[in-house]
Amino acid sequence: EVQLLESGGGLVQPGGSLRLSCAASGFTFSSYAMTWVRQAPGKGLEWVSTISGIGGSTNYADSVKGRFTISRDNSKNTLYLQMNSLRAEDTAIYYCAKVQTYYYDSSGFDYWGQGTLVTVSS
Amino acid sequence: DIQMTQSPSTLSASVGDRVTITCRASQSISSWLAWYQQKPGKAPKLLIYKASTLESGVPSRFSGSGSGTEFTLTISSLQPDDFATYYCQQYNGYLTWTFGLGTKVEIK
Repeated sequence: EVQLLESGGGLVQPGGSLRLSCAASGFTFSSYAMTWVRQAPGKGLEWVSTISGIGGSTNYADSVKGRFTISRDNSKNTLYLQMNSLRAEDTAIYYCAKVQTYYYDSSGFDYWGQGTLVTVSS
Repeated sequence: DIQMTQSPSTLSASVGDRVTITCRASQSISSWLAWYQQKPGKAPKLLIYKASTLESGVPSRFSGSGSGTEFTLTISSLQPDDFATYYCQQYNGYLTWTFGLGTKVEIK
């Protein structure tokens, strides 16, 4: 059974940093790209960042580029999101999700974690 | 950047109704479109990928169609469990995606 378990959320002051983790199990982690999606309170889904299976390729939404860094440790089956220079508008539930296949254009995000809440406030 | 327009933003319907949600892309995205269902307090659930392929375990009353710039999600006979918010999602290339703004399906 595929499981994704996020951790690391919490309350942080504007300008602060936080690192989210997503522990994966039930599939060959290194074979799949992984992604972070966030949802501000009462708002829709926003794609944040994706990393390829081996970790050699990454990309980011313009809203987080230069502030967030996605990474993965395939030996630990864990995905990370390092968030720096946090702003109030980064307040959201952050979900990690598995990209369905290597054929990204034909894929959705087929498994999701339960989400971890990040609140940026003074 | 390719823009996605999802409509309507809210839809009121009754059990048994046929429901259609539309996503339009500002330029052709071939069949690079997925649909998700999200219930309050829960993570999204993949329903359809590659515009029309039903994800395993999803009821057959859900269907997707379209290619190029116009796509639809249809629920053939709305069930009580289907009241939720639905999102389309497009692949933009280079490991980037965009979600539509969502359609909330409410009880009429």
